[in-house]
Amino acid sequence: AQSVAQPEDQVNVAEGNPLTVKCTYSVSGNPYLFWYVQYPNRGLQFLLKYITGDNLVKGSYGFEAEFNKSQTSFHLKKPSALVSDSALYFCAVREDSGAGSYQLTFGKGTKLSVIP
Amino acid sequence: EAGVAQSPRYKIIEKRQSVAFWCNPISGHATLYWYQQILGQGPKLLIQFQNNGVVDDSQLPKDRFSAERLKGVDSTLKIQPAKLEDSAVYLCASSLAVAGFGNTIYFGEGSWLTVV
Repeated sequence: AQSVAQPEDQVNVAEGNPLTVKCTYSVSGNPYLFWYVQYPNRGLQFLLKYITGDNLVKGSYGFEAEFNKSQTSFHLKKPSALVSDSALYFCAVREDSGAGSYQLTFGKGTKLSVIP
Repeated sequence: EAGVAQSPRYKIIEKRQSVAFWCNPISGHATLYWYQQILGQGPKLLIQFQNNGVVDDSQLPKDRFSAERLKGVDSTLKIQPAKLEDSAVYLCASSLAVAGFGNTIYFGEGSWLTVV
């Protein structure tokens, strides 16, 4: 089975500083990886995905993620954090469901707090 | 483009009562998912439909949970009888049909259930 791990429950960063939220994966075959964000009392919003191609993936709201095959990692990054980036971030991996469709398996999430 | 619609947003019920959640996916999305997100955890897949057929319901507690997707569009998730441990956010999501590599899963705002 495919899985992802988010080793940090919480990440604190000062506003204006770069931020990194870590994710490692374990898959058989090619990895298809995703990042979602969840603001308080809201659903999950898609940020970005890695399917194939460039190891640096750019997404919404200035976020990007770096795919590293040798380290089996897919860390989320942003050059300059905003207070409004404070939220819960989930890494996910695609698993084939059969019948030509797929589902996502999520990590436990990392709470990001950006301090003014 | 309208997103995934869910209702009700919030529900409080007593244990052993029943509850139903409704979901309307993004227009044209043949695949529909129900995820359960318990506080402090990542979302966990309960059931996946493709059109009106079930693709995966291996993690659905079938003694108390049921779901249907009549006519391949809207879906309803029911819990009867509810237990305290069912307190969670129930997230509906949808994606285009078939396991296209570029397809993204989009989530609704969630239905927040508290069982007392």
